[in-house]
Amino acid sequence: GAVVSQHPSRVICKSGTSVKIECRSLDFQATTMFWYRQFPKKSLMLMATSNEGSKATYEQGVEKDKFLINHASLTLSTLTVTSAHPEDSSFYICSALKRGSTDTQYFGPGTRLTVL
Amino acid sequence: QKEVEQNSGPLSVPEGAIASLNCTYSDRGSQSFFWYRQYSGKSPELIMSIYSNGDKEDGRFTAQLNKASQYVSLLIRDSQPSDSATYLCAVNPSARQLTFGSGTQLTVLP
Repeated sequence: GAVVSQHPSRVICKSGTSVKIECRSLDFQATTMFWYRQFPKKSLMLMATSNEGSKATYEQGVEKDKFLINHASLTLSTLTVTSAHPEDSSFYICSALKRGSTDTQYFGPGTRLTVL
Repeated sequence: QKEVEQNSGPLSVPEGAIASLNCTYSDRGSQSFFWYRQYSGKSPELIMSIYSNGDKEDGRFTAQLNKASQYVSLLIRDSQPSDSATYLCAVNPSARQLTFGSGTQLTVLP
């Protein structure tokens, strides 16, 4: 199997606070993890690519100082939304590539963030 | 031009019919193609991957790839109401990253 978990599944926070989302590959090692954001009725938009032990690569238009990514081990990547604002409210989904694979991504269940 | 295009639908088919979902892509160098299913409020779930021209079958699902026409499709036979979801086409234009289409919303009517 290829199971990816995310925590928390749902978070509500006040504007200006920071929120950390964890993404874990439970039964495989993932050298690369991806972070996506999805707004209602829209497709997934890649935010950044996270490689174990190195700095994340951010997509154009994504603020790296606002969306902090840490990929500290082969099974864990975290996304921290700093000083969250209502426009950051979205569905955040991570995916992971199995070590040795170059293309098949396995998705976590997603985290729904609501910023009041 | 979008890199991966899908008809947004909604596509409605009666239960037991064949649902046909289509996708075109712009990058001729793409080597890997995927279909994901996404239920409302949930994350995408991998259904099929295809790498070579032709058909690939897995149960009620058949993926078809035509690289010359830059076209990939998904057929769902004997459609069930539980197949009602948004189907995302994803293409790998470069190593490891995926580009997603906007998705086709499928409704299977009982």
